[in-house]
Amino acid sequence: EAGVAQSPRYKIIEKRQSVAFWCNPISGHATLYWYQQILGQGPKLLIQFQNNGVVDDSQLPKDRFSAERLKGVDSTLKIQPAKLEDSAVYLCASSLGVGPANEQFFGPGTRLTVL
Amino acid sequence: AQTVTQSQPEMSVQEAETVTLSCTYDTSESDYYLFWYKQPPSRQMILVIRQEAYKQQNATENRFSVNFQKAAKSFSLKISDSQLGDAAMYFCAYRSWGRTGTASKLTFGTGTRLQVTL
Repeated sequence: EAGVAQSPRYKIIEKRQSVAFWCNPISGHATLYWYQQILGQGPKLLIQFQNNGVVDDSQLPKDRFSAERLKGVDSTLKIQPAKLEDSAVYLCASSLGVGPANEQFFGPGTRLTVL
Repeated sequence: AQTVTQSQPEMSVQEAETVTLSCTYDTSESDYYLFWYKQPPSRQMILVIRQEAYKQQNATENRFSVNFQKAAKSFSLKISDSQLGDAAMYFCAYRSWGRTGTASKLTFGTGTRLQVTL
């Protein structure tokens, strides 16, 4: 079974530029998560989707970050404009259900460097 | 708010030996789940082991086992017969149902980097 796919794997941009990350979850997984992992820290949830609806976006900086999952499958996370402090690894994960026991399967991540 | 603390930034173990990684958490809830995730260098994060708070029996998965002390809010991971492939960042994480009936977010600690030496 294919895992969670993410692209690109690496991205370097100048501050104030825009960037977008793409995620394709495991087939059949209704729940999709975007995490931000700053160097030396654990992942922090940015947004959680259930199908194409948002369940939790309380930690998403909405003035510059946006995310969508239009058809309930693939998802895109965008940053516009980027700041230096956005340098991090952006992880996408998916799970079969929404309950807390459900295992989250993670993608390889996108490493963003903002110069 | 729930917090997860991993007080050991780095640990080292010799191959074939046993190592224990520590984790403490803070919560006012009684029903929750605890996890250990492994993140190898440049590879994706995978679930190592999961513990349900209402189960008194400690979870085990092959060479990995936990020591769950609910009253002390402690959740340590023991790796037996350590192998070179065990070298990675290990994250302790917490999740519950939350007060509104929907699952709370997965809250991670800051991680412990495990080195395995020959």
